[in-house]
Amino acid sequence: GDSVTQTEGPVTLSEGTSLTVNCSYETKQYPTLFWYVQYPGEGPQLLFKVPKANEKGSSRGFEATYNKEATSFHLQKASVQESDSAVYYCALSDGPGTGSNRLTFGKGTKFSLIP
Amino acid sequence: DPKIIQKPKYLVAVTGSEKILICEQYLGHNAMYWYRQSAKKPLEFMFSYSYQKLMDNQTASSRFQPQSSKKNHLDLQITALKPDDSATYFCASSRRDRGEQYFGPGTRLTVL
Repeated sequence: GDSVTQTEGPVTLSEGTSLTVNCSYETKQYPTLFWYVQYPGEGPQLLFKVPKANEKGSSRGFEATYNKEATSFHLQKASVQESDSAVYYCALSDGPGTGSNRLTFGKGTKFSLIP
Repeated sequence: DPKIIQKPKYLVAVTGSEKILICEQYLGHNAMYWYRQSAKKPLEFMFSYSYQKLMDNQTASSRFQPQSSKKNHLDLQITALKPDDSATYFCASSRRDRGEQYFGPGTRLTVL
């Protein structure tokens, strides 16, 4: 089946530094890729969908580029702030259209600022 | 106004009992899903429905039964509850032709 592997957390950084969360995947199909963010006590929120291979997706200062050859789509942000503290999930879908749209998630990477 | 409503937010049950988790979406989507999140496992897909029909089932146990009475409702009935069922259950929805799924706030189930 499909699998997603991402940076093991927790990750702690100083405000204003850059954040990278690595994510790679295995699937036999052509996947649709996503980044989600989850705050305590809430459901996952869609951060953005990663477009086609070698294109960049972005939202709220975060961006990711889908590298088809490396089967990876790492999340990056140039300058983190307090409001970025959350758990970040990469996910792939077997849809839309052909599959069930099932999302397969990585284990999540918890990020927080160094106090 | 919340676009995906899940009720209740917290639920405590005794082993062997039955509970129903409620989910309603007001995004106009035609596909709905259930996922489970526990301390032991990451977000885990359970079911997907489109136009009130089952598309995919990744839950091995028949104790978990989705119920769709309306196109914007997908409830989850869990019978013969076990302590291992303790988790937060998330409902999500999407357009069938689009992959982006939007999640509700979750129901946190504790089985004693």
